Amino acid sequence: GDSVTQMEGPVTLSEEAFLTINCTYTATGYPSLFWYVQYPGEGLQLLLKATKADDKGSNKGFEATYRKETTSFHLEKGSVQVSDSAVYFCALTPNSGGYQKVTFGTGTKLQVIP
Amino acid sequence: DAGVIQSPRHEVTEMGQEVTLRCKPISGHDYLFWYRQTMMRGLELLIYFNNNVPIDDSGMPEDRFSAKMPNASFSTLKIQPSEPRDSAVYFCASRRGGGWDEQYFGPGTRLTVT
Repeated sequence: GDSVTQMEGPVTLSEEAFLTINCTYTATGYPSLFWYVQYPGEGLQLLLKATKADDKGSNKGFEATYRKETTSFHLEKGSVQVSDSAVYFCALTPNSGGYQKVTFGTGTKLQVIP
Repeated sequence: DAGVIQSPRHEVTEMGQEVTLRCKPISGHDYLFWYRQTMMRGLELLIYFNNNVPIDDSGMPEDRFSAKMPNASFSTLKIQPSEPRDSAVYFCASRRGGGWDEQYFGPGTRLTVT
């Protein structure tokens, strides 16, 4: 079945540091890929997405590129802020018709210190 | 739009009691999902509906859990009888259309069973 593997957390960075959170996936065909973010005490919200190979999703300074050859969708940000402290989830959904289940990774907690 | 609405936000109950969690999806969304989040197991999909019909309930842990969606604007998740191991944050999410569209999560219900 489909699966998503994320790097273990927590990740602790100083403000303005470069961020990478690794995500790899296993799926048949060409799934859509997502990064969701969960701030403390809140539900998940979509951060960015990519629906086909080589697409780059971006939002709020975060980027991720859909790499079919390495089955990866790593999240990056050039300069993190304290307000980026949250849990980040990589996820996928198959593009085949009729099966709408989203598979989430286990989440990676990011803590940014001033 | 008000977003996905869940109630109550917090629920504390004693073992053996019935618990009912409520969700109002975003108007016009035809998919509704119930998730459970714990530190040990992460984010788990319990059940999802399409056009008010349950499609996949394979994540429902046992017969003590049941979910209904009597109309397009309301869903419930019921636990009867509740047990301490049911303590978790329960999220409702809704989505319009295909798998490449984002899911919109509610703020969650934090359930504590003593």
